[in-house]
Amino acid sequence: DTGVSQNPRHKITKRGQNVTFRCDPISEHNRLYWYRQTLGQGPEFLTYFQNEAQLEKSRLLSDRFSAERPKGSFSTLEIQRTEQGDSAMYLCASSLVLPNDEAFFGQGTRLTVV
Amino acid sequence: AQRVTQPEKLLSVFKGAPVELKCNYSYSGSPELFWYVQYSRQRLQLLLRHISRESIKGFTADLNKGETSFHLKKPFAQEEDSAMYYCALNTNAGKSTFGDGTTLTVKP
Repeated sequence: DTGVSQNPRHKITKRGQNVTFRCDPISEHNRLYWYRQTLGQGPEFLTYFQNEAQLEKSRLLSDRFSAERPKGSFSTLEIQRTEQGDSAMYLCASSLVLPNDEAFFGQGTRLTVV
Repeated sequence: AQRVTQPEKLLSVFKGAPVELKCNYSYSGSPELFWYVQYSRQRLQLLLRHISRESIKGFTADLNKGETSFHLKKPFAQEEDSAMYYCALNTNAGKSTFGDGTTLTVKP
């Protein structure tokens, strides 16, 4: 599968622990997005990068959340001191820098905080 | 602020019947609208975008700025169309605002 890759696919963690997710975008894509999806809802925007620069963060992204994209390639999303409300599917997507360009999604990382 | 509403959580039709999945949006600028589909156990993928004015897998969607709608239509539904469908509005930099999705079930 040469599309967007996310690891791990599933993560179960205890409340208060830190977790980190990784996203490998399609190699020539400049833009990388993180979304969060909870049951019964559509994906909600968290943040996006153009190359290595983080250009926008949603208000949903509390100070416990941090994302990086060193060297403009893969990206990591870290959640510190996890809470039960963080349980969700975390989706990564990438695209070219073109108007109306298609975003390609990964299969997501499902986080369960117990 | 932008918003996308898909009023139907669930939609069930028989094979061969027409299907329409509704999407309404609110946005003060010029909208870029998309439909994404997620088949069972697969990733979210683009179905079609309004600017392309294309028909994909028999589906079409017309942007109606007066009614702020972008409904998805297919004249004859097939069982393989059963999936979750999301309407999305792109604003600056390709960031998407999604609706909460409609689960389409096509019965044999």
